[in-house]
Amino acid sequence: SAVISQKPSRDICQRGTSLTIQCQVDSQVTMMFWYRQQPGQSLTLIATANQGSEATYESGFVIDKFPISRPNLTFSTLTVSNMSPEDSSIYLCSVERTGPPDTQYFGPGTRLTVL
Amino acid sequence: GQNIDQPTEMTATEGAIVQINCTYQTSGFNGLFWYQQHAGEAPTFLSYNVLDGLEEKGRFSSFLSRSKGYSYLLLKELQMKDSASYLCAVRDSNYQLIWGAGTKLIIKP
Repeated sequence: SAVISQKPSRDICQRGTSLTIQCQVDSQVTMMFWYRQQPGQSLTLIATANQGSEATYESGFVIDKFPISRPNLTFSTLTVSNMSPEDSSIYLCSVERTGPPDTQYFGPGTRLTVL
Repeated sequence: GQNIDQPTEMTATEGAIVQINCTYQTSGFNGLFWYQQHAGEAPTFLSYNVLDGLEEKGRFSSFLSRSKGYSYLLLKELQMKDSASYLCAVRDSNYQLIWGAGTKLIIKP
């Protein structure tokens, strides 16, 4: 498995501001991902955080809104920019451990409320 | 398009057995995962199937039929702590994980 920490665990923010979420893993991993989970719903992949290059975004998510950094193989940040109430959600980072099987493990999540 | 279907909610009694079904239509198949997610917590990995048949892990078993695009998670001797959402996810031909909406399992005494 993997030990993954996220900061902050929760935050309440005003619309129009930005929040940066940090994800730290206990050992080096190649693949790191950022997900969003609306209350009572499943996981939506925002992007794959690539070390040394730009993140790969899924349809519906853009770099200007969700800039991602991946400076090394154990750390990544996701920024939620110019927030609106629709951005209220749980944001989860995950890492993939090589198997078999190649398995994703999740951080504890960041609960974001935008007023 | 790609699609994974699971029941939204199920209710079972403590000590009983429950089967949570998952059907999928994906472009390619490179394995199926089950995760457990307690309310307010992150998903945790439960089981993995890539070949047809049953994989057993203690009280939990997972079954796969690739020809039918079908899997189930079987939970035996249910305990109150099994109350959680159970997520089915399939890895497609692009090696991307496609997630189901999850099944909320409610255990009653």
